[in-house]
Amino acid sequence: DGGITQSPKYLFRKEGQNVTLSCEQNLNHDAMYWYRQDPGQGLRLIYYSQIVNDFQKGDIAEGYSVSREKKESFPLTVTSAQKNPTAFYLCASSIAPGLAGGRETQYFGPGTRLLVL
Amino acid sequence: GNSVTQMEGPVTLSEEAFLTINCTYTATGYPSLFWYVQYPGEGLQLLLKATKADDKGSNKGFEATYRKETTSFHLEKGSVQVSDSAVYFCALSSDYKLSFGAGTTVTVRA
Repeated sequence: DGGITQSPKYLFRKEGQNVTLSCEQNLNHDAMYWYRQDPGQGLRLIYYSQIVNDFQKGDIAEGYSVSREKKESFPLTVTSAQKNPTAFYLCASSIAPGLAGGRETQYFGPGTRLLVL
Repeated sequence: GNSVTQMEGPVTLSEEAFLTINCTYTATGYPSLFWYVQYPGEGLQLLLKATKADDKGSNKGFEATYRKETTSFHLEKGSVQVSDSAVYFCALSSDYKLSFGAGTTVTVRA
């Protein structure tokens, strides 16, 4: 079955620690995205990548970093600079930007919940 | 910029009741419109979508019609079930970005 997997389901971060969230897709999608969801709120875009070896900052990129070395994978690192990291993190993917005129449908993974110890 | 405004919740209904969740949007150009559903502790699932004016998206008994004249995309279901209890997000896609409403929590009681 094609889809998006995220791991781990729960992640605990200690003070001053960097942690990495995994996102893998086998949908053969070119574009991948990371969102943050806080309780009672909509989703906010952290980073996105339209093609391998390229990525752009979203609306709330400070304290986060990403890489896109493979088409299938888009890991997110939450650095110690992110002072309020507790949230639900969602990864998404879509077909190549432009194939639907910039209005591509995004498909989401099951999410990772990050908690601070 | 683009934005989505949806009906605030929470909404509590009895089984077999009619559900409407209002959604209006502001966008430049001609966005695609979506409804996503999120069950407790899970990611977002695409419920339905519409890509141009007057299109009707439908899935699992849910429907929404893309109304350009009123910039709306209201979600409806004629007879809800307990299993429809979830958070529903309206969203629009334009200029390579997805913009979300704040979400509406729906609880259906048996």
